[in-house]
Amino acid sequence: AQSVSQHNHHVILSEAASLELGCNYSYGGTVNLFWYVQYPGQHLQLLLKYFSGDPLVKGIKGFEAEFIKSKFSFNLRKPSVQWSDTAEYFCAVNPNNAGNMLTFGGGTRLMVKP
Amino acid sequence: DSGVTQTPKHLITATGQRVTLRCSPRSGDLSVYWYQQSLDQGLQFLIQYYNGEERAKGNILERFSAQQFPDLHSELNLSSLELGDSALYFCASSVGGSGAYNEQFFGPGTRLTVL
Repeated sequence: AQSVSQHNHHVILSEAASLELGCNYSYGGTVNLFWYVQYPGQHLQLLLKYFSGDPLVKGIKGFEAEFIKSKFSFNLRKPSVQWSDTAEYFCAVNPNNAGNMLTFGGGTRLMVKP
Repeated sequence: DSGVTQTPKHLITATGQRVTLRCSPRSGDLSVYWYQQSLDQGLQFLIQYYNGEERAKGNILERFSAQQFPDLHSELNLSSLELGDSALYFCASSVGGSGAYNEQFFGPGTRLTVL
């Protein structure tokens, strides 16, 4: 079955540490890729998206993600996290032939210790 | 604030009951999506409506139904509720509904607790 996998369910980091969250998907065709963030008690917000072109995309708040087609991966990175980055992060995929539907990964809870 | 509103914020009910969740999309958006976020299933797409018509269906149970009204607001009806239906229900909206991808904007969610 087509799916999106986020391997890290919980991540704990200290402030200023570097972050990398993994995301792999199993769709064979062309896809649009997204990372969403959900701060405690808030709605999902789009961090960044990849449709085509440069596989390294930059988003808001210093986040970036790299699309590696051969590995079916779209990992999220941030060089130096802050306490305010504490949130849950979701990778999502929209296959090009699936209308506007999003399939989400299971999410990764990030806790940043001050 | 995404511009998508959902009511109520919290809902507590008993097994076997029926509830209705409401969503108002951003001004100008024609598509509405419903998602369920639960501890065991994660964030799952339920159903999409575009300008009043069902456009796509995901993992939505037969006990659940939705509709989109002429003013474009949408309601998700959940009936014969079970303990496992306890979850956060998100609504999202977008300008379009198919073709080139249209960014979805999410509402704050309705937390449903079934006792």
